[in-house]
Amino acid sequence: DAMVIQNPRYQVTQFGKPVTLSCSQTLNHNVMYWYQQKSSQAPKLLFHYYDKDFNNEADTPDNFQSRRPNTSFCFLDIRSPGLGDAAMYLCATSRGAGGPRGEQFFGPGTRLTVL
Amino acid sequence: AQKVTQAQTEISVVEKEDVTLDCVYETRDTTYYLFWYKQPPSGELVFLIRRNSFDEQNEISGRYSWNFQKSTSSFNFTITASQVVDSAVYFCALNADSWGKFQFGAGTQVVVTP
Repeated sequence: DAMVIQNPRYQVTQFGKPVTLSCSQTLNHNVMYWYQQKSSQAPKLLFHYYDKDFNNEADTPDNFQSRRPNTSFCFLDIRSPGLGDAAMYLCATSRGAGGPRGEQFFGPGTRLTVL
Repeated sequence: AQKVTQAQTEISVVEKEDVTLDCVYETRDTTYYLFWYKQPPSGELVFLIRRNSFDEQNEISGRYSWNFQKSTSSFNFTITASQVVDSAVYFCALNADSWGKFQFGAGTQVVVTP
C-alpha cells in the first residue's frame, strides 16, 4: 500500500546532541511537510517542500533544518535539541498545493524524548 | 487570516451514546476545504473526511456524519452509538491557502467509557 513512513517511531537523544528524523513516501507526492506536535496541542507546521523548493515557517527556530534529497525522502535535523523540543514530529505529504490536491496524508510520527 | 475553533476541549460519554464535535471556521477565501482527522493514542493522524466550500451536502459514513453549514461557518461531526475505539483526539482543519497549508483547530479529546 502507498504510504508515509517515519523512522524511528521513538527517538531518545541527549540535550544538545544532534538528531535526524526520517520520512519516506511511496505516494509520489510533490509536497512534503514537517509538523511538531506537543502534548495536548494541534500540530504546528515547521516547514514544507514543494518539489525542491523549501518553505520555512516564520517562527520555526533556526535549530531545525530539513533536507529533501529526492522525491521520496525528507529529513528533519535538530542541531542542538533542547528539553523544549521533546514532542511528536509528524511528516505529511500532498499531491499539490491547495484545492483537492492539497489533502495531506500523515505518517505515524516520531516521538522525540530529550534527556 | 484563517482560524479554526474547536471550543470543546474534552467530551466524555458512555458507550452507545452519540457525541457531536463542533468546529467553527473563519476565512476570507471563497474556495476552501475542510477536513476532520482522528488521532488515536498511537499518534497517527487518520483522515476522516474532506468537504469543499461548494458542497454543503451532509454526509454519513457508517456511524459518522458531518453537518456543513456555510451560513454559520460550521462543520460539525457526529459519532452515533459511540464505541470505546472512538476514544481519540479529533481535529478539524481548514485549507484555504494556495500552498495547501492547514489551519488546525485545537482538537477535541473524546473519551468513551464502557
